[in-house]
Amino acid sequence: AQSVAQPEDQVNVAEGNPLTVKCTYSVSGNPYLFWYVQYPNRGLQFLLKYITGDNLVKGSYGFEAEFNKSQTSFHLKKPSALVSDSALYFCAVNYGNMLTFGGGTRLMVKP
Amino acid sequence: GAGVSQSPSNKVTEKGKDVELRCDPISGHTALYWYRQSLGQGLEFLIYFQGNSAPDKSGLPSDRFSAERTGGSVSTLTIQRTQQEDSAVYLCASSRTVNYGYTFGSGTRLTVV
Repeated sequence: AQSVAQPEDQVNVAEGNPLTVKCTYSVSGNPYLFWYVQYPNRGLQFLLKYITGDNLVKGSYGFEAEFNKSQTSFHLKKPSALVSDSALYFCAVNYGNMLTFGGGTRLMVKP
Repeated sequence: GAGVSQSPSNKVTEKGKDVELRCDPISGHTALYWYRQSLGQGLEFLIYFQGNSAPDKSGLPSDRFSAERTGGSVSTLTIQRTQQEDSAVYLCASSRTVNYGYTFGSGTRLTVV
């Protein structure tokens, strides 16, 4: 069965510093991987996806993610965090015709 | 429409009452999904539609929950005899295919008092 793990409930980072939000997955075959962000009282917004090709995927708002097949990881990164990046982040993997989501990681960026 | 529309945005209901939540997906999106999110937690899958049929109903928590989709478009999630543990944000999403990812609505916040 497919699964997604986000090992950190919360990540704290100072504004201007690089950030990483971790995600590992378990799925048979080649995975399709996604990152979504949720701001307070809002639905989820798509950030980026990996389907095939280059392992480094660039997405919205300066975020990027690196697909690592040997480590079954798809960590979300940004070189310089902004206070406005503070939100809840979800990693997801497809299985069949649906996405399975991780439990979410709350990112707190402090000025 | 331009995005996925959900109504109402907020619903407060008394325990034991029935509620209907509506989702209007993006035009042309054949797949539609319902998820539940409890108090800033992760997403719990409820049900998935491909066209008007629901190949996967495995996530519905109990027989009090049901959903339908008509005309390959609007979907309604119905909760009968609501309980306090049903309080959550109910999110709807649609997609052309899963390769494109989902587009989510803003959700319906349900509070059962």
